Amino acid sequence: AQKVTQAQTEISVVEKEDVTLDCVYETRDTTYYLFWYKQPPSGELVFLIRRNSFDEQNEISGRYSWNFQKSTSSFNFTITASQVVDSAVYFCALRSGANSKLTFGKGITLSVRP
Amino acid sequence: KAGVTQTPRYLIKTRGQQVTLSCSPISGHRSVSWYQQTPGQGLQFLFEYFSETQRNKGNFPGRFSGRQFSNSRSEMNVSTLELGDSALYLCASSLEGQGWNTGELFFGEGSRLTVL
Repeated sequence: AQKVTQAQTEISVVEKEDVTLDCVYETRDTTYYLFWYKQPPSGELVFLIRRNSFDEQNEISGRYSWNFQKSTSSFNFTITASQVVDSAVYFCALRSGANSKLTFGKGITLSVRP
Repeated sequence: KAGVTQTPRYLIKTRGQQVTLSCSPISGHRSVSWYQQTPGQGLQFLFEYFSETQRNKGNFPGRFSGRQFSNSRSEMNVSTLELGDSALYLCASSLEGQGWNTGELFFGEGSRLTVL
């Protein structure tokens, strides 16, 4: 069975603060993919990153960085120097084995106050 | 490059009616997936189509069905609507070949269905 847990439900920070969104996943497959998506109020899910299970290298893209640790089954997302435009719901998702569906976590609502 | 287009964006139905939602994928994308998003259950997978064939199906009752056309456009249908079917229905497309889906999904803005 596949499962994604995002224990944090709502996070509120002041602009320019750093914030980390946690994601823990469960799967018995050795081959899997992890994703982060952002959902602004418009409703569209915006793809942020994909990481496969054989690549534990951390990634940085501008103010965004991701920390993938297989030992703890975690794929955490950090926003550095947050901005008001970062306010959205963020979803972590898993696709594993031969199953083509994405299993999403419940999402984290991030509010960045000016 | 146009994104994933879903129509209608908003609709209101009453219990017992049926509804058809449409999704036009990104040009060249052959895989289309549908997800239901509700406050209680979150995002749940409905089904995936590839080259007009249903490749995967989630745990939803038979009232939920879908299809894909030769131009990769997809429709989903919900019959005998229930109050609990009120949700945001999201369509996603991806650039796929044969084999299972490894790529990122590009989502539309969704169709928000309200059942009264």
